[in-house]
Amino acid sequence: AQSVTQLDSQVPVFEEAPVELRCNYSSSVSVYLFWYVQYPNQGLQLLLKYLSGSTLVKGINGFEAEFNKSQTSFHLRKPSVHISDTAEYFCAVTSGRDSSYKLIFGSGTRLLVRP
Amino acid sequence: DTGVSQDPRHKITKRGQNVTFRCDPISEHNRLYWYRQTLGQGPEFLTYFQNEAQLEKSRLLSDRFSAERPKGSFSTLEIQRTEQGDSAMYLCASSPGQIGVNEQFFGPGTRLTVL
Repeated sequence: AQSVTQLDSQVPVFEEAPVELRCNYSSSVSVYLFWYVQYPNQGLQLLLKYLSGSTLVKGINGFEAEFNKSQTSFHLRKPSVHISDTAEYFCAVTSGRDSSYKLIFGSGTRLLVRP
Repeated sequence: DTGVSQDPRHKITKRGQNVTFRCDPISEHNRLYWYRQTLGQGPEFLTYFQNEAQLEKSRLLSDRFSAERPKGSFSTLEIQRTEQGDSAMYLCASSPGQIGVNEQFFGPGTRLTVL
């Protein structure tokens, strides 16, 4: 079964500094990867997705992620964060072998941007 | 607003009572998912509909849980004889297409508190 590991439960960072949120998944066979952001008391909003093609994926709000098949990773990066980026970030995976394409989520990383 | 909507947003109930949640997906989205999210965790898959057919249920979905999607439109999730362990955020998501992987669009969630 698929699994996702987000190694950092919380990442504190100063405003305008770069940030990387780490994500590793269990299998590289026919996987599709997603990063979602969740603001307090809200649902999840898609930041970016990797379905196929270029391994460097650009998303909304200046975020990007790189699919690394050999390391089974999909780390999220932003070169300069803002206070408004403070939120919970979830990495998720699904597989082409799963006809439902249900998402398997990591436990989340709380990004805390300080002034 | 043409996004996924959920009702109610918050529900407080006493242990042993039945509750029902509603999800209205984006119009013409064939796929509908229910997830459950407990505090400090990522969402966990509960069940999946393709149009009106419930095609997959998680082992997390005990006999006290039932979901429907009549006519392939809105969906309801009912929990009978609620327990304190049912306290969580219940998220609904919808996705277009009959085949292949697509983005899932999430609603704002229903937060259930069982006293």
